Amino acid sequence: QVELQESGPGLVKPSETLSLTCEVSGDSITSSYWSWIRQSPGKGLEWIVYRFYRGSTGFNPSLKSRVTTSLDMSKNQFSLKLTSVTATDTAVYFCARHPNLNWFDAWGQGILVTVSS
Amino acid sequence: EIVMTQSPVTLSVSPGERATLSCRASQSVGSRLAWYQQKPGQAPRLLISGASTRATDIPARFSGSGSGTDFTLTISSLQSEDVGIYYCQQYDRWPPWTFGQGTKVEF
Repeated sequence: QVELQESGPGLVKPSETLSLTCEVSGDSITSSYWSWIRQSPGKGLEWIVYRFYRGSTGFNPSLKSRVTTSLDMSKNQFSLKLTSVTATDTAVYFCARHPNLNWFDAWGQGILVTVSS
Repeated sequence: EIVMTQSPVTLSVSPGERATLSCRASQSVGSRLAWYQQKPGQAPRLLISGASTRATDIPARFSGSGSGTDFTLTISSLQSEDVGIYYCQQYDRWPPWTFGQGTKVEF
């Protein structure tokens, strides 16, 4: 059974970079597409980015200029970086398996990231 | 971007009764629609894909229907463990994949 676990700082200062990692167990990182999704009271569930091990990447146009993602096959994990954060980036961030770029069939428990000085 | 609109915002149902949740897309998504359940403090869980196909281990009391722009999730006999927020998500035109704002199901 696949499990995903997000990790990273829970507090980021405004204008700095949010960095998160998702460790995948029970499945190979090469088996599927993988996405980051966030959830905030103001914007609900918002898809951010997807990544495939062969390098294919897709971005939410609203965040594209601030997002980068990487994938480490040796560690079976993928990551998210969001630059120039503001208070509106405060949210629970989830990583999820995204088979064939359709639905999201496995999610991490989520990590709350607060942007505040 | 396809906008997903769910109704009602909150649905109060007695145990054992039927719950009917609606999701509307701003343009046709065919049958490329998924439903999720989210309980407090947890991640969303996939219930339905392809508008009507239950995911693994999802009880038969959950059913999905619809195509095009109008979709329905029905819980035939509400159980206590079904309380939570339900979201629809389209995967027809992307990026971005988009979600509805959710329907809260309560007793």
